[in-house]
Amino acid sequence: QSVLTQPPSASATPGQRVTISCSGSTSNIGTNTVNWYQQLPGTAPKLVIYSNDQRPSGVPDRFSGSKSGTSASLAISGLQSEDEADYYCAARDVSLDGPVFGTGTKVTVL
Amino acid sequence: EMQLVESGGGLVKPGGSLRLSCVVSGFSLNYFTMNWVRQAPGKGLEWVASINTGSTYMYYGDSVKGRFTISRDNAKNSFYLQMNSLRAEDTAVYYCAREFPGPGLPFDFWGQGTLVAVSS
Repeated sequence: QSVLTQPPSASATPGQRVTISCSGSTSNIGTNTVNWYQQLPGTAPKLVIYSNDQRPSGVPDRFSGSKSGTSASLAISGLQSEDEADYYCAARDVSLDGPVFGTGTKVTVL
Repeated sequence: EMQLVESGGGLVKPGGSLRLSCVVSGFSLNYFTMNWVRQAPGKGLEWVASINTGSTYMYYGDSVKGRFTISRDNAKNSFYLQMNSLRAEDTAVYYCAREFPGPGLPFDFWGQGTLVAVSS
């Protein structure tokens, strides 16, 4: 059972901005940093944001992350058709031995 | 080029066992904690297990504790997941993933996944 809550879906037209929220608690997001993964249909997850707001090499600067208190957000600006995917947040939890993942958000490009 | 390749998935009856393997290339396994993550059909991601570089610490998710065992062989650039007493709810695609030893401990590289189906 995921302890990080995300909206099931989000959508926008090409070129617009879409934002995905990730809500946790003091034992996970409130204490630790947040990572974000993109999962294109039928493929493995790919890291797009780590440590709240850091982009790995090769990830476009259209992707940005932020964290405040026990919530985090992923924003995709200048949305493109290839951004259509499922997105998952993840964070360590003080009561667990590994990361917890969010419930996932399906981003649709209209 | 960094690669992680899983194998060993398949169809198994409830109560049965399977051993998954993950062979890595393009980097030395010696320096990284490695993980297994699974995804049930149509569902989200679930962390399963992790093992540190020297195999001194192995951690498991609550749903697999006592049934699954993670291990590694750095000399063979491989790590493994022994799955016993399998249940229908263990049906999932299993991914191996490298843990980056930096802020957030993100999983920076993933394999393509191997499907485990538990059914009679």
